[in-house]
Amino acid sequence: EPEVTQTPSHQVTQMGQEVILRCVPISNHLYFYWYRQILGQKVEFLVSFYNNEISEKSEIFDDQFSVERPDGSNFTLKIRSTKLEDSAMYFCASKPDLRDYNGKLFFGSGTQLSVL
Amino acid sequence: KQEVTQIPAALSVPEGENLVLNCSFTDSAIYNLQWFRQDPGKGLTSLLLIQSSQREQTSGRLNASLDKSSGRSTLYIAASQPGDSATYLCAVKPPDNAGNMLTFGGGTRLMVKP
Repeated sequence: EPEVTQTPSHQVTQMGQEVILRCVPISNHLYFYWYRQILGQKVEFLVSFYNNEISEKSEIFDDQFSVERPDGSNFTLKIRSTKLEDSAMYFCASKPDLRDYNGKLFFGSGTQLSVL
Repeated sequence: KQEVTQIPAALSVPEGENLVLNCSFTDSAIYNLQWFRQDPGKGLTSLLLIQSSQREQTSGRLNASLDKSSGRSTLYIAASQPGDSATYLCAVKPPDNAGNMLTFGGGTRLMVKP
């Protein structure tokens, strides 16, 4: 079965540094998402992306965050100046753009970001 | 604002038992509800998805039900196995005109003992 691929699986960075988390969604999917899960807390929505633009974002997704689809396969999340509270597991997800689709999201295995 | 709650937060059962995990949501205006499995340090695997117009979905030993009007869903696992040990999450999606984001519950951590 096709998979959403995320790299790296673990990322350690110093506070204030920029990080880029990478995702390769399933090839025929057109909706892309980032979610995160802080240790011990609920999975939280960050942003959705469709047709090369952000379609929805949460309060968490402030000016420090940005997303990009630099080519036909990658979907990235950039955090400009990381803070300790950005430490979390970040999940990428995707789904197709089909009229009769049931809405199921496909998630990647996540990138564990640790900000020191 | 939609809130999703899962009870219990943790559950330990002996192998072979049938069990029920509960999920409740505050806003019944949902498009669908999805149950996921999460293994430690891993991603989310979709188990079952129920559309708002449906009452239940089955996959193997798993059966998910939905009572939209009362804001509840259950995940029934039959004949539990040690390999079922994981955290189970439910998530609801609002109607299409209200956005695409999923709202997740806090999960139920299941341990099935051999």
